[in-house]
Amino acid sequence: NAGVMQNPRHLVRRRGQEARLRCSPMKGHSHVYWYRQLPEEGLKFMVYLQKENIIDESGMPKERFSAEFPKEGPSILRIQQVVRGDSAAYFCASSFLSSGRGYEQYFGPGTRLTVT
Amino acid sequence: DQQVKQNSPSLSVQEGRISILNCDYTNSMFDYFLWYKKYPAEGPTFLISISSIKDKNEDGRFTVFLNKSAKHLSLHIVPSQPGDSAVYFCAASATNTGNQFYFGTGTSLTVIP
Repeated sequence: NAGVMQNPRHLVRRRGQEARLRCSPMKGHSHVYWYRQLPEEGLKFMVYLQKENIIDESGMPKERFSAEFPKEGPSILRIQQVVRGDSAAYFCASSFLSSGRGYEQYFGPGTRLTVT
Repeated sequence: DQQVKQNSPSLSVQEGRISILNCDYTNSMFDYFLWYKKYPAEGPTFLISISSIKDKNEDGRFTVFLNKSAKHLSLHIVPSQPGDSAVYFCAASATNTGNQFYFGTGTSLTVIP
């Protein structure tokens, strides 16, 4: 019973390059959430997706960031033209049902993005 | 705007004693609260939760207390064990904000053998 999988675990990109972070939810989970943790800060919600739908992207920066959760395959968080301020740990979580109503989210190990 | 606050960045406790981690929130609409535990280089792991209709929830050595009037919750670990050493995050959500959890900045607990 594999948990939430994220890859890569570590990603180094130069300024201006693109970063693609992948997340495979737990088996049977159809709700995916992305969070970002900046140094010395807590986890910040970015986006909530279901298969082929973005439900809530209120935490996503308006530019350069996008997310998808296709019918087949993992969820992808894409950051275009990365800047040093994007360096952070990005965590994906999944849940069986819609959280916030008594159902916890299960987290992956995170992807640590470093922009040089 | 930090809606969930953990004002103690770190806490040290002797093995066998009680650990008390505190969390304050500002949004009175929050109705579901969780505690997560995080080891270095790993994702947060769900520990315990509480709904706003309760003021206490217990699971083994872990008890969460909720004081709605003070907008305060706490996690008690009794007895504390060295393996409990980790960063603890509290999180909150509100039914009317859908699925977004708001996390505190975490408290690093060290249990001294």
